[in-house]
This record gives sequence, C-alpha cells and structure tokens, in this order.
Amino acid sequence: GQNIDQPTEMTATEGAIVQINCTYQTSGFNGLFWYQQHAGEAPTFLSYNVLDGLEEKGRFSSFLSRSKGYSYLLLKELQMKDSASYLCAPLDSNYQLIWGAGTKLIIKP
Amino acid sequence: ETGVTQTPRHLVMGMTNKKSLKCEQHLGHNAMYWYKQSAKKPLELMFVYNFKEQTENNSVPSRFSPECPNSSHLFLHLHTLQPEDSALYLCASSQQREPHEQYFGPGTRLTVT
Repeated sequence: GQNIDQPTEMTATEGAIVQINCTYQTSGFNGLFWYQQHAGEAPTFLSYNVLDGLEEKGRFSSFLSRSKGYSYLLLKELQMKDSASYLCAPLDSNYQLIWGAGTKLIIKP
Repeated sequence: ETGVTQTPRHLVMGMTNKKSLKCEQHLGHNAMYWYKQSAKKPLELMFVYNFKEQTENNSVPSRFSPECPNSSHLFLHLHTLQPEDSALYLCASSQQREPHEQYFGPGTRLTVT
C-alpha cells in the first residue's frame, strides 16, 4: 500500500531551526514534494527532490534518501508567518501525488 | 488573471440543490485535478484529467460529476449532496512532464445543510 508518515504537530520558537521528518511507502517513486498550507488556504509549493541529497532554497532546505524512503524539510530563522501545515507528498509510478495529513507547525515568540 | 482560479469561494447548499464549482487555469498546463480536503485529513484525490480525458476516478460517489470541456477549464457538478460532503474543494493543474508540480487554486469552501 501507499503510506506517508509525518508528525502531527510540532512547536518551535521564532528565530530557531526546525526539522520536519517524513517517511513514505509508495508504488513506484518519481520524486517528492513539500508543500506549505496555511489554515483555510490552498497548498503552495516549497520544494522538490528527485535525487538523493539536499536541496536548499533560502531559509528552507529539503533532503531525500530514496533507499530509506525518507525526507525532511528544514526551516531556518523561523518567522511567525511560518506557522502552517507542511505536507510531504511523494509522486508515485502514475505521477500522482500521495498526500499525508501533514505536520502542523506552531511558532511561538 | 494568473495561476489557478476557482469560483465560488464559498458555497452553502441544501441537500436537494444542484450547483457547480468552476476552475480555470492560466498556466498552459495539460492536467487538472479535483481534491477534497476535510478537517485534519489528507487531501483526497477525486478526479484527474489529462488532455481533457478523465484518467482517474477514485471511487467518488456519483453525486459528484466532473466535466472538462478543454484543458483550461474544469467543473465539478454537485447534486443531492450529504452533510458529510462539506469540505474544502481544491482544484489543481500541472504539466505532464518533470517535475509534475501541481499548482492549486484557492479552493471552494462548501457547506451542505
């Protein structure tokens, strides 16, 4: 079957660093996306990994290990506006995104 | 207009009503998607259209009927819905080539009374 596992909720402090982990099992694999979703809004694209390793994009970085079925999203210099849900979504053999329930990140001052 | 637009943004309907949700993408993509998002649940893929042809129908009840007249427009026709159908309905589009990134519209918040 297809399965995504992420922590349900995390709390971090403004200015700090937080790492959100994701493990996945899919029928085939064609890359992995991270999306950000603020409450009541649509998901927006953050990052895409198709090869093993780290992709850096400003304050956000994403890592992938295909052999371990594992990815993480690293957020640095946290800001209050980073309070949102973060969705890990691998792309399966049919090029369909498989969605987990996401990780709700709460940033405290 | 840019990106993916959806109308209406909010909809309240009775169980006997018929209504339609509209999605339009201005990105030149050739795949479009309908998702349902209920509170604290993962996004549920409902329908996929590639080049106007429906390629996925994930066991969605027949009270939801999609229509894709061209690669830029997507509709979701609703009739005799149930209260449990109340949710955020999201439309997305993508290119059918790497990286297959999906761009989402703002969604329609549907309440069935």
